[in-house]
Amino acid sequence: EPEVTQTPSHQVTQMGQEVILRCVPISNHLYFYWYRQILGQKVEFLVSFYNNEISEKSEIFDDQFSVERPDGSNFTLKIRSTKLEDSAMYFCASRTSFDYGYTFGSGTRLTVV
Amino acid sequence: AQKVTQAQTEISVVEKEDVTLDCVYETRDTTYYLFWYKQPPSGELVFLIRRNSFDEQNEISGRYSWNFQKSTSSFNFTITASQVVDSAVYFCALSRNSGGSNYKLTFGKGTLLTVNP
Repeated sequence: EPEVTQTPSHQVTQMGQEVILRCVPISNHLYFYWYRQILGQKVEFLVSFYNNEISEKSEIFDDQFSVERPDGSNFTLKIRSTKLEDSAMYFCASRTSFDYGYTFGSGTRLTVV
Repeated sequence: AQKVTQAQTEISVVEKEDVTLDCVYETRDTTYYLFWYKQPPSGELVFLIRRNSFDEQNEISGRYSWNFQKSTSSFNFTITASQVVDSAVYFCALSRNSGGSNYKLTFGKGTLLTVNP
């Protein structure tokens, strides 16, 4: 069964450093998403991406965040200058244009120290 | 604005008991999707079910069943004869179902289910 792959599974970074979280969506999917889950809390929408541009973003997704699909297969989330409160599990998800079901990746646990 | 409320923060049952997880949602949309996801201790999100607002039929899948009641804006999830492996956090989620909505998911806060042997 096709999977959404996220790497790394766990990343530790120092406050103020830039971090890039990587995702490989399912190959025929057209819509891509990032969600965030702070430990013990609910999953929150960050951003959606379609046709090489952001289609919607939440209030959480400020200027410190950016997304990119650099090579037609990877989908990345960059945090420019990490803060302690960015520590969370980040989930990538993708879907086709016709199937409204999501496929989530297994997540990247980001720890900012 | 959309909202999902899972009033039960934690539920603890003994194996083989039946357990129902409640989900109440708010939306102004006439068409929408409802979802349940399971998050085991390993952290991934496991898709359980998607239900279109047009379809109010209840659904059963093995030990799992879902009761969708549009009149009360509820989409409850029942596990019959619970097992220790059912221990997880369960999230209810809501998505708009209209063109240009991006189909982003709005999640509830989750219910931690602990099934004791």
